[in-house]
Amino acid sequence: DQQVKQNSPSLSVQEGRISILNCDYTNSMFDYFLWYKKYPAEGPTFLISISSIKDKNEDGRFTVFLNKSAKHLSLHIVPSQPGDSAVYFCAASVIRSNLFFGTGTRLTVIP
Amino acid sequence: ETGVTQSPTHLIKTRGQQVTLRCSSQSGHNTVSWYQQALGQGPQFIFQYYREEENGRGNFPPRFSGLQFPNYSSELNVNALELDDSALYLCASSLSGDRGATNEKLFFGSGTQLSVL
Repeated sequence: DQQVKQNSPSLSVQEGRISILNCDYTNSMFDYFLWYKKYPAEGPTFLISISSIKDKNEDGRFTVFLNKSAKHLSLHIVPSQPGDSAVYFCAASVIRSNLFFGTGTRLTVIP
Repeated sequence: ETGVTQSPTHLIKTRGQQVTLRCSSQSGHNTVSWYQQALGQGPQFIFQYYREEENGRGNFPPRFSGLQFPNYSSELNVNALELDDSALYLCASSLSGDRGATNEKLFFGSGTQLSVL
């Protein structure tokens, strides 16, 4: 049973525009959420995280929003750059336990 | 500061064989986790080692076993390989404090691509 879901396998966005990647989860015990980025032939790289006590966390061009009542989080990238083209994984955990990953969304930023 | 390194990068085995995958943690990290990523899927937790002891295990059978060494490097062993074991195996390290292992920020290696024929 997939506890973390990314329903969009792919997303294409023009350079300079906003990219919005979505993630839903089913386990209400999750209290820590992360986004990882993966380039081909490399391991996932940590991007940004958010604790369940917050509803927004920002780091430069990247912002993660958490809606606990809807069990939904999203990653906003503004402005999108060609170097952002990668597979993005959403992950969730109860702090200090293992991560549950979604199936990933492939983002393509078109120059 | 060295990152997480895994060896080998690619491996081909036949059904029924045994395999050992190796991981060198990022310098100073004391916790290592192993994940399996099947084609088109997200990484799936296999187990975690903290201070050389298993500290949590996912839904994988006992033929998946591991070790963590005093220098915090790690091995993943898989016995009696099955076709469905074909996947990318990812090792991730993190720095945990005295209160226990943490998964707050994992640093992943590039993985070992295992093909079982």
